[in-house]
Amino acid sequence: NAGVTQTPKFRVLKTGQSMTLLCAQDMNHEYMYWYRQDPGMGLRLIHYSVGEGTTAKGEVPDGYNVSRLKKQNFLLGLESAAPSQTSVYFCASSYPLQRGRFEQFFGPGTRLTVL
Amino acid sequence: SQQGEEDPQALSIQEGENATMNCSYKTSINNLQWYRQNSGRGLVHLILIRSNEREKHSGRLRVTLDTSKKSSSLLITASRAADTASYFCATDLGYSTLTFGKGTMLLVSP
Repeated sequence: NAGVTQTPKFRVLKTGQSMTLLCAQDMNHEYMYWYRQDPGMGLRLIHYSVGEGTTAKGEVPDGYNVSRLKKQNFLLGLESAAPSQTSVYFCASSYPLQRGRFEQFFGPGTRLTVL
Repeated sequence: SQQGEEDPQALSIQEGENATMNCSYKTSINNLQWYRQNSGRGLVHLILIRSNEREKHSGRLRVTLDTSKKSSSLLITASRAADTASYFCATDLGYSTLTFGKGTMLLVSP
């Protein structure tokens, strides 16, 4: 099993450009998450999904959109990138609460720089 | 706002010594989890302690939870250079999301 994979690994954008980050998991997890990690700030939740076709806002959702069209994929979109969105983005997945397992499984991250 | 806050922010020890890091949180939790992050990599789950547990062990890891003080500690015994990483606590309020602290950077020197 590949676990959680993220595409791309690195990306440089100019202000105002758009892009989509792809997260895929092969563990049949119901829940998926997008975080950003900035120096000294820990991980902050951007958006999450508790199942195919559902999405919800996290702590820092502004400037981002997400879609969960397939259970195994969770896409994070930046419509008009800003320098403040320079960060490392992590995707994670987990079982639903009813399974009694609460840990999250993380991807390797995408390092995004917005000039 | 951050639910969990780790202390210290950074810790430097020698191989063979024990490393202790602490986490404080603000509201009642369902469970508390600890994760490790090696430089430039994703987080890896280490251990979970439920709100009705006081202590839990896994290999060289020992986690305690004091719900009255809203705090947890992670002890790594007999540290190795390979334990060098950042360690994060994450609180689960039972709503399918976790809130992470800012982490403790641990450096274990040979």
